[in-house]
Amino acid sequence: DGGITQSPKYLFRKEGQNVTLSCEQNLNHDAMYWYRQDPGQGLRLIYYSQIVNDFQKGDIAEGYSVSREKKESFPLTVTSAQKNPTAFYLCASSNRLRETQYFGPGTRLLVL
Amino acid sequence: QQQVKQSPQSLIVQKGGISIINCAYENTAFDYFPWYQQFPGKGPALLIAIRPDVSEKKEGRFTISFNKSAKQFSLHIMDSQPGDSATYFCAASIQGAQKLVFGQGTRLTINP
Repeated sequence: DGGITQSPKYLFRKEGQNVTLSCEQNLNHDAMYWYRQDPGQGLRLIYYSQIVNDFQKGDIAEGYSVSREKKESFPLTVTSAQKNPTAFYLCASSNRLRETQYFGPGTRLLVL
Repeated sequence: QQQVKQSPQSLIVQKGGISIINCAYENTAFDYFPWYQQFPGKGPALLIAIRPDVSEKKEGRFTISFNKSAKQFSLHIMDSQPGDSATYFCAASIQGAQKLVFGQGTRLTINP
């Protein structure tokens, strides 16, 4: 089955800890994205990558970092600099020639 | 200029009624307008999309109406069903930009 997988489904972060959210796609899509979703605020773009080894900041990149070493994978690290990390994190991908973005099932990050 | 404003924030409709969600934008360079449907705890999924060269697009019970001069577009759900209860997001993008700008979302509840 083609699609996007995100893991874990739930993630708990302790104070001062960095945590990494996984996103993998087997759709052969060039572009991948990370969004943060908070209640009543819609989806806000954190980072996106249009090609391997290249990525750009979105609207709320502070406190986050990414890497794109493989076409299939786009992990997101929530660093200790992100003071309010509790949110639902969504990964998406799209074909470079089309605008339709396909979303993964999300990871809910909670702070202990 | 990059914003998409969505209304209402929440909507309650009786089963069999028509649900209407509206979006407005400022950037006339936007040329792709998708709607996404999201169920609780899941990632958004593309529902229907339109380009500004048509004023209406219908897929089953879902219709997008597009008013280019007013810079507005709306989603109509005919014969609304309890299974349609979800959060709906409008979005917009510029061709080749690879980025979607999302509205704030509308939480739709269909009462049986």
